[in-house]
Amino acid sequence: NAGVTQTPKFQVLKTGQSMTLQCAQDMNHNSMYWYRQDPGMGLRLIYYSASEGTTDKGEVPNGYNVSRLNKREFSLRLESAAPSQTSVYFCASSGLQGGQPQHFGDGTRLSIL
Amino acid sequence: EDQVTQSPEALRLQEGESSSLNCSYTVSGLRGLFWYRQDPGKGPEFLFTLYSAGEEKEKERLKATLTKKESFLHITAPKPEDSATYLCAVQEWGAQKLVFGQGTRLTINP
Repeated sequence: NAGVTQTPKFQVLKTGQSMTLQCAQDMNHNSMYWYRQDPGMGLRLIYYSASEGTTDKGEVPNGYNVSRLNKREFSLRLESAAPSQTSVYFCASSGLQGGQPQHFGDGTRLSIL
Repeated sequence: EDQVTQSPEALRLQEGESSSLNCSYTVSGLRGLFWYRQDPGKGPEFLFTLYSAGEEKEKERLKATLTKKESFLHITAPKPEDSATYLCAVQEWGAQKLVFGQGTRLTINP
């Protein structure tokens, strides 16, 4: 009953470093999402992929890139990390037409020093 | 611009003490309103989807209701395991993204 798996769970980076957050789902869902969650703010959509081979910008895409590697995997890359990107990042998936995330991973807690 | 406001920010209840959480929203055309539960250190867990005013959904001690301007999450005779942050989100017709509220942190004391 894995659902949505995110790696790593924690990461500390220095400003300017790059890294890739990994996400995989085992429910054969078409849609996958990346959100960030910051104190005092609601979850905000960074990028989404409605199906394998497609990606689209969400609400806060600047500073990020994504890759939908196959139906299972959707990665988020920070090319040059900035302190403003310190956040908790959640990956989610959905088998529903229309965009409502059904299953979330447990998050990656990222600190940029 | 779509907006979602949840109140209160935090609520502390005694076990068995029923109450309601509020989610007020502004959206051009509502496709759906969603409730999630989030435990500390975990991702949100989907609870309910409501599509039209007057609709109600129930799950154990939780009941969600919807009007044209707000949604309520009623908690009847809560137990300590109901302690969590409850998130509300709305989706506008034609939009892929959901707009989330900041959440209500609910604590149930035994």
